[in-house]
Amino acid sequence: SQTIHQWPATLVQPVGSPLSLECTVEGTSNPNLYWYRQAAGRGLQLLFYSVGIGQISSEVPQNLSASRPQDRQFILSSKKLLLSDSGFYLCAWSRSHNEQFFGPGTRLTVL
Amino acid sequence: QKEVEQNSGPLSVPEGAIASLNCTYSDRGSQSFFWYRQYSGKSPELIMFIYSNGDKEDGRFTAQLNKASQYVSLLIRDSQPSDSATYLCAVNFNNAGNMLTFGGGTRLMVKP
Repeated sequence: SQTIHQWPATLVQPVGSPLSLECTVEGTSNPNLYWYRQAAGRGLQLLFYSVGIGQISSEVPQNLSASRPQDRQFILSSKKLLLSDSGFYLCAWSRSHNEQFFGPGTRLTVL
Repeated sequence: QKEVEQNSGPLSVPEGAIASLNCTYSDRGSQSFFWYRQYSGKSPELIMFIYSNGDKEDGRFTAQLNKASQYVSLLIRDSQPSDSATYLCAVNFNNAGNMLTFGGGTRLMVKP
């Protein structure tokens, strides 16, 4: 069976600090991978998606970036965090039937 | 712009009743539709998907799709307090990469 991991689970960072969130998927190969952000009490905003190694598409202009160095690894980064970057970051994967399955998420607070 | 709309609620139903959650979408050409449940502080969990017009049943859950009217609904029979959560509707607008567009969610409260 497939599992998806995210870490860290929670993170508190000062404004202007860098960010690196990691997502890994087990039990499948060549998945589509996605990064979402959910602000408090809000819906899901798609940030990035990837259909393969090194292939990243951005949906929303921002100070975040994403990379996919390995088939089942997806990384979300920032060089300098803003207060508005606070939120619940969710990684998801999908295969051909396009149902997406979410990881446990990372709760980021920028102070 | 392609959109998915849901009433934010809260929708309050008594235990044992049928909860009806609705979702409308903007693109008539959409092909696949999903319902996720999200408990407070947790990540969304897929509970149903539907591709064809009509009803699809899975246990206490029934998804209903009407492509002509561009709406999809989720019925929860015999609602339990454990069903209290936010329900997210998601639509694949046939974008590259199987991207989903999510509605803002409907908060359901089932009262004992």
